[in-house]
Amino acid sequence: AQKVTQAQTEISVVEKEDVTLDCVYETRDTTYYLFWYKQPPSGELVFLIRRNSFDEQNEISGRYSWNFQKSTSSFNFTITASQVVDSAVYFCALSEERMDSSYKLIFGSGTRLLVRP
Amino acid sequence: DGGITQSPKYLFRKEGQNVTLSCEQNLNHDAMYWYRQDPGQGLRLIYYSQIVNDFQKGDIAEGYSVSREKKESFPLTVTSAQKNPTAFYLCASSIRGGQYSYEQYFGPGTRLTVT
Repeated sequence: AQKVTQAQTEISVVEKEDVTLDCVYETRDTTYYLFWYKQPPSGELVFLIRRNSFDEQNEISGRYSWNFQKSTSSFNFTITASQVVDSAVYFCALSEERMDSSYKLIFGSGTRLLVRP
Repeated sequence: DGGITQSPKYLFRKEGQNVTLSCEQNLNHDAMYWYRQDPGQGLRLIYYSQIVNDFQKGDIAEGYSVSREKKESFPLTVTSAQKNPTAFYLCASSIRGGQYSYEQYFGPGTRLTVT
């Protein structure tokens, strides 16, 4: 069955430290998509990135970078030079195709990141 | 501004009462979704709709009902049959639900407390 594991329940760092959030997934599909979302204290999930299974290139967006490795079924997220505003819960998610050809997102349990000044 | 609105932000109800949570989007998205989030857990899918007048059960549909009479609206009713309704409810939408896995955009959520 499809599954997403975020083993780190909570991480605390001091501002300007680099931090990596781990995501490991399980799927039988050959075509799938992986996502990262940020949930700040306000509650709304903010979309960060989508990556399909055929694109293993790492991606960098400002202080954010993502490392996708199919060999280890991992899609890790690194924040460089963390800031207090990065404090949030971060969710990794995997898409699963349903019988009706729609896609369902399977979420990990989230990693709470606390960045201290 | 385009986006998803959910109202109210906080909702309190007595046990045994049905309650309807509002979700409206002006993104012109075809697909809409309802999720439930419990403390320390990820999101679980309640219902989803790929097109107007059509919707499907998600993983935890028991005790909930929805309607999709308009493209921009997807209200969720939490019925008295839902055994543990206190939770944070998130509505989302995406360009379309089938064929491709598009990212979903989320509303601000409604925190429902039933006592």
